[in-house]
Parts: sequence; C-alpha cells; structure tokens
Amino acid sequence: DIQMTQSPSSLSASVGDRVTITCRASRHINNFLNWYQQQPGKAPKLLIYAASTLQSGVPSRFSGSGSGTSFTLTISSLQPEDFATYYCQESYTTPPNLTFGGGTKVEIK
Amino acid sequence: QVQLRESGPGLVKPSQTLSLICTVSGGSFSSGGYYWSWIRQHPGKGLECIGYSDYSGTTFYNPSLESRVTISVDTSKNEFSLRLNSVTAADTAVYYCARVSVTAYYGMDIWGQGTTVIVSS
Repeated sequence: DIQMTQSPSSLSASVGDRVTITCRASRHINNFLNWYQQQPGKAPKLLIYAASTLQSGVPSRFSGSGSGTSFTLTISSLQPEDFATYYCQESYTTPPNLTFGGGTKVEIK
Repeated sequence: QVQLRESGPGLVKPSQTLSLICTVSGGSFSSGGYYWSWIRQHPGKGLECIGYSDYSGTTFYNPSLESRVTISVDTSKNEFSLRLNSVTAADTAVYYCARVSVTAYYGMDIWGQGTTVIVSS
C-alpha cells in the first residue's frame, strides 16, 4: 500500500502570508495526487487534482506542484477563509485506494 | 447541480450492522465517468476511504474494512448505500458520501454534508 505523509501537521500563519504544505508518497505516484480543504464542521472540498490542476471555482491563490513522490500545496496570500485543514490523497494504483494523508491544520497566528 | 445527502441511524449497537444511504439529486446517477464513494472521519482525525462503486455495481473496498463492508447501488432510486457489519466503538465516526470523478484523477468533487454515527449500547 502507498502511504501518504504530510508536513507539517499544523502551522500558524497570518492573513497575507504565503503558506506551503508538503505531501510525500511512500512510492512513486506520478501526478496522481489530489488536495482537499476541510473547514471545521464541514465536508472536505476538492481544491486541486492531478497535482496541479485547479478545480473549477477554486481561487487562483491556491496552487499545487510536484510529481513522483513529493508534492506541495501553496497558498500565495492567506485569506481568513483559508484557515482550515488540508489533506492530500493519492489515486495512483489500479483500482486506486484513494489513501489520504494525515492532514495539515492551518491556524491563525 | 448534483447534490448528495446521507441518511440513516445516528446510533448503532455494538456487533450490529451500520446502514447508510446516500441520495443523489440534480443529475444522472447512471452517467459514466464517476464512482460513488463512502468516506469516514473518526472524531478529531483524518479521512479514510471506505470504498466506492460505479453505477453498475463494480466495487472497490479498503482492504482494512473489506471483510465487513458492502456498497451497493440502486439506479432506480438514484441512491447508493453502505453496510458495515459487526461494528464496534472504533466505527464511531462522521460518514460522508462523495462522487469520485475519473476525469479529475479520482478526485472527490462533490460531497454530502456528512452524518455522525455513534456505536454504543
């Protein structure tokens, strides 16, 4: 099975900051990597798929990069509504296990 | 647009079967290119994919739950369901249903609001 590891598990940041979250796969997954945002008490929301493709309606301050085993989610200028927990998810295997990373909680500094 | 809504008992006794239904509205449940999935989130923890099915009933289950899980679809009712047998307190969680989009690299692009299930006597 592919294991997904996110770092950090939490971070504190201020509005306007640039924030970067890392996700690492235990083995090569090409670009089969998706990112989600989960606000408290709500269902997750798909932000990015295929490592770098922005889902429709997602603000352009969100971006994703990476391939192989290392991936990043970047928020270029943190907004109040971005304080949430972010998850990565792999979809490489056939059929895909859709394994999630442990999450990164972005908190207000 | 497509919306999903979970329904089912919020309290299940240990050793019994957890049964949930996800109703799909606002779109064709039988269109290709999608799978219909169940995900759960233990209190204060991360997300776990339980499994998914296409509209014809082809399923994939998380190996850690496979022996206890059944996901089935009813295209006539535009709904799919989750059955989890022999539950314990460790199955207490928020359960979500979600649409999996093949074109979005199996990203879960539409989610239900989630339903809390507590396993307790």
